[in-house]
Amino acid sequence: KAGVTQTPRYLIKTRGQQVTLSCSPISGHRSVSWYQQTPGQGLQFLFEYFSETQRNKGNFPGRFSGRQFSNSRSEMNVSTLELGDSALYLCASSFAGTGDYEQYFGPGTRLTVT
Amino acid sequence: LAKTTQPISMDSYEGQEVNITCSHNNIATNDYITWYQQFPSQGPRFIIQGYKTKVTNEVASLFIPADRKSSTLSLPRVSLSDTAVYYCLVVSPYGFGNEKLTFGTGTRLTIIP
Repeated sequence: KAGVTQTPRYLIKTRGQQVTLSCSPISGHRSVSWYQQTPGQGLQFLFEYFSETQRNKGNFPGRFSGRQFSNSRSEMNVSTLELGDSALYLCASSFAGTGDYEQYFGPGTRLTVT
Repeated sequence: LAKTTQPISMDSYEGQEVNITCSHNNIATNDYITWYQQFPSQGPRFIIQGYKTKVTNEVASLFIPADRKSSTLSLPRVSLSDTAVYYCLVVSPYGFGNEKLTFGTGTRLTIIP
């Protein structure tokens, strides 16, 4: 079956702008999680959505938000971009989320903020 | 949250067994340990998950001692394609749908021909 897909793969934005990233999970998976990966901070958890509800959130400012649609596809939005938001943003899906830690990751979206 | 520590890098020759240890001194009773592998320009890939003692699948084994303060990922007979970054992940369930996910710093494993 098809894996997790993320669009776009690469993005260049200017400081102060906002950006929306998209993630399509594996068919049948209801949980979608988002991560930020940078050389300095490593892999950091942003938030998780399950059945259109955010049920888990990491320690990121409110500029980072997300949502999930009825078909389990998810979007992540970052408003008022800062230089430090430059990172690889990864999306992962799993069947149930809770107690199911086998997540399938997408290839990521490389965001560069100038 | 359980903080994890891994070696920054390791080298090994092809055909050898490689053991990567993750330290998680303040692991909680209900925490699980999961390992992921990541190649450049790709998302992490699930390898194995365990709670205690030993777990084995077709690609790796995971050893967790009784005190659970550390865990060891064992890769048998590595090949060049095993060159990657390996992450130890402690999942801390605080209640239904409230897991906190703590990735380790990652170990860059280089396999030498």
